Amino acid sequence: DAKTTQPTSMDCAEGRAANLPCNHSTISGNEYVYWYRQIHSQGPQYIIHGLKNNETNEMASLIITEDRKSSTLILPHATLRDTAVYYCIVRGGGTSYGKLTFGQGTILTVHP
Amino acid sequence: DAGITQSPRHKVTETGTPVTLRCHQTENHRYMYWYRQDPGHGLRLIHYSYGVKDTDKGEVSDGYSVSRSKTEDFLLTLESATSSQTSVYFCAISGSGGDHSPLHFGNGTRLTVT
Repeated sequence: DAKTTQPTSMDCAEGRAANLPCNHSTISGNEYVYWYRQIHSQGPQYIIHGLKNNETNEMASLIITEDRKSSTLILPHATLRDTAVYYCIVRGGGTSYGKLTFGQGTILTVHP
Repeated sequence: DAGITQSPRHKVTETGTPVTLRCHQTENHRYMYWYRQDPGHGLRLIHYSYGVKDTDKGEVSDGYSVSRSKTEDFLLTLESATSSQTSVYFCAISGSGGDHSPLHFGNGTRLTVT
């Protein structure tokens, strides 16, 4: 699976949009981009995933560039409860059997 | 949460003793996984299962064994616990490993080996 690069930490004001970038320049054609987050001492929580089209669900939006070499996770109205470590993961299908490779992620701090 | 229960939530054990962690799911998902999480290493895959009695090794499987006799239960066993196995263990499930259904994680078991 392709490697991802994320900033170590980011800050966001409560109520504002949080935009978390991720670079995955070696992504291959059949690999999806996944986002998870982990709030202290809890299990990772699935947020969203996509292949090449932008995706939106009740939690967030995922914007993938046309060349697929980078993406941005958008939390439209961040709250204090969104403070967490956010992981961008590139995952292939087929025989990978759903294995996820977690990097160090981005520590997002939402402040009042 | 995704219908995943891990037990126990916390355990302290002595070096050399056997330990079994249990993951129970109510989603009838085919795929189940065991990960461990340690500072500086992120989450690492230990073992996974792609069906009843079908299991395979992940990247850090030494010292661990698994069993899956029923769809809903995936057991992780440390035959002889060592201090290096002190960690937080997470179970995950997914509907299929071959497509792109996301993994959903339990809330973890914190294991301390003294």
